[in-house]
Amino acid sequence: DAGVIQSPRHEVTEMGQEVTLRCKPISGHNSLFWYRQTMMRGLELLIYFNNNVPIDDSGMPEDRFSAKMPNASFSTLKIQPSEPRDSAVYFCASTSGEGLAEYNEQFFGPGTRLTVL
Amino acid sequence: AQRVTQPEKLLSVFKGAPVELKCNYSYSGSPELFWYVQYSRQRLQLLLRHISRESIKGFTADLNKGETSFHLKKPFAQEEDSAMYYCALNLSDTGNQFYFGTGTSLTVIP
Repeated sequence: DAGVIQSPRHEVTEMGQEVTLRCKPISGHNSLFWYRQTMMRGLELLIYFNNNVPIDDSGMPEDRFSAKMPNASFSTLKIQPSEPRDSAVYFCASTSGEGLAEYNEQFFGPGTRLTVL
Repeated sequence: AQRVTQPEKLLSVFKGAPVELKCNYSYSGSPELFWYVQYSRQRLQLLLRHISRESIKGFTADLNKGETSFHLKKPFAQEEDSAMYYCALNLSDTGNQFYFGTGTSLTVIP
């Protein structure tokens, strides 16, 4: 398995443009997480899905952010319109959620480095 | 409120010196705690989990429920330990909901 796949790896866009980040979790994993990493705030959980259903989106900063998971193998995080303060590295992670929860390791993707000018 | 606190953003130690990365959590249930590490240009990956009581790459972490801490320790730091370290808490009572601390950047000076 190639692990969690994210695309694009780098995205540079202008303020006001729509940005879509993509994630393919590890096959068979039923939980998917979107995180944002910044120097100031570290790693922040934005939203997570369990069996394709959004469970907790309280970390989504504002209405400009939206996430979908139309099927078990694909998720998107969309920012519309984008702003310079959205510049960060966005990570996707998945976990199997099977068995004892304390053994559930999160597997992270390589991240998407977003720069909004 | 921050569920996981890592008070040190930056930590520098000399090679061979002991290192301790602090982590405190806030949770009244049974905590499930992890340490994740991100080496330069690599993915964030699991280092160790408290349930396993394991030592990975010389690192250990003991859960202290009284102090609500899960500090990461290594008796003799190596240069290859330089990385970003994140403490994470899983709220098992509510399913898979992970909270990460803000991270500590460890630099081991040769």
